[in-house]
Amino acid sequence: DTEVTQTPKHLVMGMTNKKSLKCEQHMGHRAMYWYKQKAKKPPELMFVYSYEKLSINESVPSRFSPECPNSSLLNLHLHALQPEDSALYLCASSRQGAYNEQFFGPGTRLTVL
Amino acid sequence: LAKTTQPISMDSYEGQEVNITCSHNNIATNDYITWYQQFPSQGPRFIIQGYKTKVTNEVASLFIPADRKSSTLSLPRVSLSDTAVYYCLAAGAGAGSYQLTFGKGTKLSVIP
Repeated sequence: DTEVTQTPKHLVMGMTNKKSLKCEQHMGHRAMYWYKQKAKKPPELMFVYSYEKLSINESVPSRFSPECPNSSLLNLHLHALQPEDSALYLCASSRQGAYNEQFFGPGTRLTVL
Repeated sequence: LAKTTQPISMDSYEGQEVNITCSHNNIATNDYITWYQQFPSQGPRFIIQGYKTKVTNEVASLFIPADRKSSTLSLPRVSLSDTAVYYCLAAGAGAGSYQLTFGKGTKLSVIP
């Protein structure tokens, strides 16, 4: 199984809502990532988890809160988002760290009203 | 952090070889050059990775000169299905930091 799954596929939320994005992989990878991608732009790294510990937080606003419950799951909790946070949120995993091939999920298309 | 620069777009006819060059003048000693392909509304897909000289796999070749200040992704005999955005990045890690900054991407259009 070389797949990274993400749910939901699409999400529309208001600025006062709380929602969560989910990501799952069963490849035994020990590094997992969240990226944000705006239209016609490259993916931007948000967070990196290595062996279930948060390794990197690329100065992301606190309204985004990552969580790694176990080695297969990665969540991104969303609260009080702004319309400019609307984007494609991509999850990825790799065997260990930055040098390894990353496997990306299909993404969650988020729209903040 | 190593910044990569690549052409915004390229056009090619089917069956031709396509070479996309990426410039990374301040690449770190430990960084690897990695290329990803992305189709609309999908996540990027790994194509190839290398440190120096030449790497070849079933879909592409990657040429990295000795000074490592640039690299060239070579796609042999492209087809319409190769129309996509191609991203170059210098991937690495240091003490408490990851280098995973994607270049702006090259939009390749394959013409019948």
